[in-house]
Amino acid sequence: GAVVSQHPSWVICKSGTSVKIECRSLDFQATTMFWYRQFPKQSLMLMATSNEGSKATYEQGVEKDKFLINHASLTLSTLTVTSAHPEDSSFYICSAQGRGYEQYFGPGTRLTVT
Amino acid sequence: SQKIEQNSEALNIQEGKTATLTCNYTNYSPAYLQWYRQDPGRGPVFLLLIRENEKEKRKERLKVTFDTTLKQSLFHITASQPADSATYLCALLYNTDKLIFGTGTRLQVFP
Repeated sequence: GAVVSQHPSWVICKSGTSVKIECRSLDFQATTMFWYRQFPKQSLMLMATSNEGSKATYEQGVEKDKFLINHASLTLSTLTVTSAHPEDSSFYICSAQGRGYEQYFGPGTRLTVT
Repeated sequence: SQKIEQNSEALNIQEGKTATLTCNYTNYSPAYLQWYRQDPGRGPVFLLLIRENEKEKRKERLKVTFDTTLKQSLFHITASQPADSATYLCALLYNTDKLIFGTGTRLQVFP
């Protein structure tokens, strides 16, 4: 089956620093990847759609200069949280789209900003 | 804007019974409706997809129905097991690539 990995699985950083999260599709090529954020006991909220070789499309209310997305290849997309603040602490999850419109999710990255 | 409603209260059932979860949506029907399972601290796992012109879809112990008149999907797990305990998410896909997720219903199957 389709496997998506994320690294790191958790990270703690100080306020003002930047954090990069990697999302890889291990056994298939993903033209389109998605980045979500999930707060406790809430649903997944789409942050942006990442397309290989082009600029990401951000959802309304998501700051593109704060959440930098790079989809450098068909198997790798990265999300960089710049100048992180405590309110950015959340569970970040990526997904890759399958052929039949289903999405395959990574295991998630727990970000804690102190 | 589209609103998806899933029962926020946990569903507790006894092992061996059939669990039925509900997903209701407003506005117009999606092209595809999907169900995912999410365990605590993990990413969602794709379970089933049903198209707007399909009434029912089955996969092993899972069954999904899709009623575009009622704007509702039902998700059934037959012969439920404690290992089925998780949060189940309903997601809608329209004519774009974007999935819109419900808040999920937590299922607890006890022995």
